[in-house]
This record gives sequence, C-alpha cells and structure tokens, in this order.
Amino acid sequence: KAGVTQTPRYLIKTRGQQVTLSCSPISGHRSVSWYQQTPGQGLQFLFEYFSETQRNKGNFPGRFSGRQFSNSRSEMNVSTLELGDSALYLCASSQSDLQGEKLFFGSGTQLSVL
Amino acid sequence: SQQGEEDPQALSIQEGENATMNCSYKTSINNLQWYRQNSGRGLVHLILIRSNEREKHSGRLRVTLDTSKKSSSLLITASRAADTASYFCATGFDYKLSFGAGTTVTVRA
Repeated sequence: KAGVTQTPRYLIKTRGQQVTLSCSPISGHRSVSWYQQTPGQGLQFLFEYFSETQRNKGNFPGRFSGRQFSNSRSEMNVSTLELGDSALYLCASSQSDLQGEKLFFGSGTQLSVL
Repeated sequence: SQQGEEDPQALSIQEGENATMNCSYKTSINNLQWYRQNSGRGLVHLILIRSNEREKHSGRLRVTLDTSKKSSSLLITASRAADTASYFCATGFDYKLSFGAGTTVTVRA
C-alpha cells in the first residue's frame, strides 16, 4: 500500500496570502489528522476528520480550516498567513475509528512565510 | 499545551549502548504511544501501550507504563547509528494525540 502522501513538499508564501495543503491517506483509512510542528511549540494538534466529519479541533485561530472529502482525502487551508505560521505541517491517517489510535504520518509540507 | 513531557531533552550514547528516555503526562489516557522522527520528516510509529498494560516489547524496544505515576519509559537496547532521531511520546484521548517535546538521541559510531 502507498503511504500517506502530502503535497506540496515545500511551499514559500508571503504574509497575507492564503495556502492550501493536501493529504491523501493510506487506502482504506477514514480518519485524517493534521499537526503543526515548530521548534518552539513542538507538535500541535490542528484537527481530525472521520468520514467527512470534524471530530476534534485544536486551539488554533479560525484562519486555520480543514475539510475531508468522500474519498477520505483531506485539505487544510490557512488564510491571511502570518510569519508565525511557518512550520512543518504533518498529516496522519488511521485505519481505526477509535480515539487516539496508531497514526501513519506523511512526510509533511514545509511552509515558509516571508 | 502539550500533554507529555520527555526527559532528557537530549541524549548522546555510543553504538551498542542502551538508551532510556522517560515521558510524563498529565491527564487520563486510553493509550500511550512512542514515535520516531528523522531530520524533520514524518513521524514513524514505534509502539503503543494501552492504559491497562504495564510493559510491552517490540524488537529492541521496551516500553513501560505506570498509570499511577502518569509516566512511561522507552528503552532502546543495543543502539545503532540508525537509531539517531528524535523520539516522542504521545497520549491518545478524544480523537487526537498529544505529543511531548521529544528526546533527541544521537548514537555515536
């Protein structure tokens, strides 16, 4: 099976712009989660989707949003980018519909905001 | 805020030695997991231990869990250069994982 695929791998944007990141989970996985990783804050949970429904959301401003499609692929969007949004954004999928089970991570999208 | 905290923050050992890192967490959990990350890439799942388990083994890995002390430890035996990475504990609850700050392990040849 192919792993979790995230695109693009690298992205450079300027302040005020918006960005959309894409994630394709492992085939058959219906849960997709997003995490932000920065040197200062570590790994922070953004949101989790299961069968197109958001089941949990982290403490991020409304500029951060996500969605999941019927084929389980997911996108996250960040509007009005700020310098502090520079981070590695990681997507993970799970084959379980239970809470907090084993996650399979993609290689991430490295976002740089200038 | 992060649920788990790893200790130590960094660890440097000789190839062949054992590496031990600890994780403390704050609230109730369904399970505790350990992940490895190489050079800012995606995380790789190592092992999951459920709240009703006390010890678990997987290859050269040994994990313990003490729910009364809200702590866990990860032991890597006979370390190799390829074990050089950051190791994170994560607690599972409410459809999310909460990660600690991680322990950076360097294995010297």
